[in-house]
Amino acid sequence: EIVLTQSPGTLSLSPGERATLSCRASQSVSSSYLAWYQQKPGQAPRLLIYGASSRATGIPDRFSGSGSGTDFTLTISRLEPEDFAVYYCQQYGSSPQTFGGGTKVEIK
Amino acid sequence: EVQLVQSGAEVKKPGESLKISCKGSGYSFTSYWIGWVRQMPGKGLEWMGIIYPGDSDTRYSPSFQGQVTISADKSISTAYLQWSSLKASDTAMYYCGSGSFPYFDYWGQGTLVTVSS
Repeated sequence: EIVLTQSPGTLSLSPGERATLSCRASQSVSSSYLAWYQQKPGQAPRLLIYGASSRATGIPDRFSGSGSGTDFTLTISRLEPEDFAVYYCQQYGSSPQTFGGGTKVEIK
Repeated sequence: EVQLVQSGAEVKKPGESLKISCKGSGYSFTSYWIGWVRQMPGKGLEWMGIIYPGDSDTRYSPSFQGQVTISADKSISTAYLQWSSLKASDTAMYYCGSGSFPYFDYWGQGTLVTVSS
């Protein structure tokens, strides 16, 4: 089973700042089959990125994903008030699929 | 419009059985993967398993294998997650998710399961 480790656990930033979230896999994620989700309190998760770097439908271009192999990054170029949430990575290249533990982006 | 609508909240006692549902609409149910994700109170997302209704290919996380059963009824575009004997530790929000690839483009609203004596 591939273990995904997200860091940092919490990121305290101000609106307008850049957020860089990391997701590290215990072994290589095949074909960059990595997704990122956003979850706000009381809501279901929302798909942001799939295939490590492809934005899902309707996702603003301030969200970008990069990486391959074992190291992946989600970048939010300029934080908007609605971006403060918890972010999860997920690998779907091998079974069982797994999620990372999450990174909370909070208002500083 | 793609929609996943989950069954309502449940309150059960330890040892009871339960089956919750997730009904898909607005897409070809047999052509999309549909899976289940657990979120315990205040915790992160846990991938439980997934099914491809077209051929009933089902895969489980080892953490949940033998503890739950995932199934789907193509005739009514509905996926299920069931337990034969609930434990207090099964108390959680359960989400279904679906997509043409085995990540989840679409999500249900969640079903809260509370197990308490």
